[in-house]
Amino acid sequence: DGGITQSPKYLFRKEGQNVTLSCEQNLNHDAMYWYRQDPGQGLRLIYYSQIVNDFQKGDIAEGYSVSREKKESFPLTVTSAQKNPTAFYLCASSIAGGSASETQYFGPGTRLLVL
Amino acid sequence: SQQGEEDPQALSIQEGENATMNCSYKTSINNLQWYRQNSGRGLVHLILIRSNEREKHSGRLRVTLDTSKKSSSLLITASRAADTASYFCATNSNYQLIWGAGTKLIIKP
Repeated sequence: DGGITQSPKYLFRKEGQNVTLSCEQNLNHDAMYWYRQDPGQGLRLIYYSQIVNDFQKGDIAEGYSVSREKKESFPLTVTSAQKNPTAFYLCASSIAGGSASETQYFGPGTRLLVL
Repeated sequence: SQQGEEDPQALSIQEGENATMNCSYKTSINNLQWYRQNSGRGLVHLILIRSNEREKHSGRLRVTLDTSKKSSSLLITASRAADTASYFCATNSNYQLIWGAGTKLIIKP
């Protein structure tokens, strides 16, 4: 059963705390992406990775960090430097990045709330 | 940076009617994609239209692309309650997709 999984579904962060959102895919896709969605808004790109051990900043990377040690996994850490982290976070993957990037497949999302 | 802009922001129609949503963009594209998002869920890909195509169909969906006007439209025919969702257009340019803010579609029974 192929797809993208994200965990947890809901995550609560205390002031000054770093939290990590998990994203795993078994689609054998090279490219993976993290987006942030605020209420009534479109998606904004945080980070993307076109291949293992490589990733690039998107439009709103400040206060976030990622790693891509395995093809299947692309975890996102929301650091204490991100002052307004409350949002819906979506992970996606595609067969390849770059100009060949076609359809993106999305996970179910993680809703991050600040206590 | 947001390139696509959907219009209208919200649309409410009766079940069985057709729904039309529009998307405008600013720069040249490789392709344009439409996605659906049910409330609080991930996005689901609906249809992709390439820059050299003018119209594409998939079931009850019809997408048109006018590159001279930098615009696209999504038509959903014979709407159903299950079509209630937000619909996003995304343009593919180089390494990433650029997203609009979406059209919220409500189908009234």
